[in-house]
Amino acid sequence: GAVVSQHPSRVICKSGTSVKIECRSLDFQATTMFWYRQFPKQSLMLMATSNEGSKATYEQGVEKDKFLINHASLTLSTLTVTSAHPEDSSFYICSVQSREADEQFFGPGTRLTVL
Amino acid sequence: GQNIDQPTEMTATEGAIVQINCTYQTSGFNGLFWYQQHAGEAPTFLSYNVLDGLEEKGRFSSFLSRSKGYSYLLLKELQMKDSASYLCAVLDSNYQLIWGAGTKLIIKP
Repeated sequence: GAVVSQHPSRVICKSGTSVKIECRSLDFQATTMFWYRQFPKQSLMLMATSNEGSKATYEQGVEKDKFLINHASLTLSTLTVTSAHPEDSSFYICSVQSREADEQFFGPGTRLTVL
Repeated sequence: GQNIDQPTEMTATEGAIVQINCTYQTSGFNGLFWYQQHAGEAPTFLSYNVLDGLEEKGRFSSFLSRSKGYSYLLLKELQMKDSASYLCAVLDSNYQLIWGAGTKLIIKP
């Protein structure tokens, strides 16, 4: 399967600051990348789907101006949480998918804590 | 609406066999995934079923019945490291993953 990395793995920031999370597909051409968030003891919640070279599609209830997603290449997508607040504290997980396969490969996740 | 149901929690004994069930109602079906997730980590892929039947992969097997909207994950020769949450997810007609809430599996010695 594909190797997916996320950076940073853990971040703590002050309320009001912006945080950028990178998702890299190390050995896989990811035509589609997904961003999820997960709260404790809950399943993953899809935030947005991004296709390389086009604007991301956001799920209902997810503010696109707050969670900026850029999918500039087939191996990199970034999620920027702007003006982060404590309620944004969560585990953010990306996954990648190729055009040929339905299978998704998940990144290790980024734990965001907003103080 | 779309719905995935799986038990919240199960307990089993080391060395035994356990079956985790998953039923689904989704708009379209393009396959069903099982993931394992240890606390604080992202889910890792276990299996993918798109045709009816049993898929065996080592100690883990996954079964699918599309007509019944039903799948199960079978874990044999349980080990302590199998203690984790097991997520069932369906790929719907829009190729979006619909996730179950996960089944927490507790393995006792």
